Amino acid sequence: GEDVEQSLFLSVREGDSSVINCTYTDSSSTYLYWYKQEPGAGLQLLTYIFSNMDMKQDQRLTVLLNKKDKHLSLRIADTQTGDSAIYFCAEKGGSSNTGKLIFGQGTTLQVKP
Amino acid sequence: EAGVAQSPRYKIIEKRQSVAFWCNPISGHATLYWYQQILGQGPKLLIQFQNNGVVDDSQLPKDRFSAERLKGVDSTLKIQPAKLEDSAVYLCASLTSGRPNEQFFGPGTRLTVL
Repeated sequence: GEDVEQSLFLSVREGDSSVINCTYTDSSSTYLYWYKQEPGAGLQLLTYIFSNMDMKQDQRLTVLLNKKDKHLSLRIADTQTGDSAIYFCAEKGGSSNTGKLIFGQGTTLQVKP
Repeated sequence: EAGVAQSPRYKIIEKRQSVAFWCNPISGHATLYWYQQILGQGPKLLIQFQNNGVVDDSQLPKDRFSAERLKGVDSTLKIQPAKLEDSAVYLCASLTSGRPNEQFFGPGTRLTVL
């Protein structure tokens, strides 16, 4: 079945790099996503990667995709206290472009000053 | 561009009571989703609409949950009667038509069932 797994917690110091990891099971996923959720707020799309790509860089964010191992990671360079939030990895279920998102359980990122 | 609107933001009810949530998607977005996010978990899809038709309601507990999108714009999600395990944040999202399709999420309604 479809399943997305993430580590639950990560603590880093301000200025360090953060790496959040995710594994997924649906090999037919065309897009994989990273969302950010701040307390009391909805989900905000941070970045996405198409399944035929290995890497995508967007300012301080780098996404790495290992399709063979079904492993996705999000690296945040120069992590700031404002990056403290819950980060969700998600895959799009099925082959439809309008299909549901299947989320991991979220990784809480704590940034210490 | 206005985002996805949801109301109320918070609701506290007792078990066996009824509750309804409202969502107004981004203008022009044909596809609308309701997700349930239990504390400490990722969101899980309850129901997906395409205009006013249901695309996927396989995870909706139909004995107590219902949803409608009569005119293909606003949507309501109802729980009747509520159980303790329904305590969660209910998120509404609507889908862009570009590539990749992006789901924009509302702020959610936090439901507490006592």
